[in-house]
Amino acid sequence: GAVVSQHPSWVICKSGTSVKIECRSLDFQATTMFWYRQFPKQSLMLMATSNEGSKATYEQGVEKDKFLINHASLTLSTLTVTSAHPEDSSFYICSASFQGNEQFFGPGTRLTVL
Amino acid sequence: QKEVEQNSGPLSVPEGAIASLNCTYSDRVSQSFFWYRQYSGKSPELIMSIYSNGDKEDGRFTAQLNKASQYVSLLIRDSQPSDSATYLCAPGGEYGNKLVFGAGTILRVKS
Repeated sequence: GAVVSQHPSWVICKSGTSVKIECRSLDFQATTMFWYRQFPKQSLMLMATSNEGSKATYEQGVEKDKFLINHASLTLSTLTVTSAHPEDSSFYICSASFQGNEQFFGPGTRLTVL
Repeated sequence: QKEVEQNSGPLSVPEGAIASLNCTYSDRVSQSFFWYRQYSGKSPELIMSIYSNGDKEDGRFTAQLNKASQYVSLLIRDSQPSDSATYLCAPGGEYGNKLVFGAGTILRVKS
């Protein structure tokens, strides 16, 4: 149980374009989903927390207009990187939780912006 | 002061030995604690959760929690080369169910 999927697993895009990443909880209803970013050899950095039907709460320093998060249902959250630039290239990982604090992570999406 | 402190390592242990990973945290409100394993290039995987003081065992893994000392540890018995990964400590935060991750300890098990 507690399976989280992400799509796509990797994406390459041109600078200035937008990229959408989907995160789905496959066998449970996720009351909260989280989006992280991880640069090489660095720790996870929480970008935002989203609850179903509510606006996402962004961490300090994360541009909410650049990283659009939608959590329309208990099993799906999306992250859209708008006007992506090379410095946005990173490993984006979502996680989902229900009831308690345990977070179950998706496999991640590797974004490369050319 | 960092919120969650872990020795970055690498911690090298021979195959079959016990690996001991330590973590201290600053948030006295934390009531839940998690250990995640992250292989290189992959996302984190939950391996242990602990909520009460004392020990919790699951297979080769034992988590130990001391809330008074704000200390949590993970012991891996009979270490295998497949245990080589980065281990992340994550106390539950004060606000909702947000986790605060340590930078992680790199474990290398030598065969």
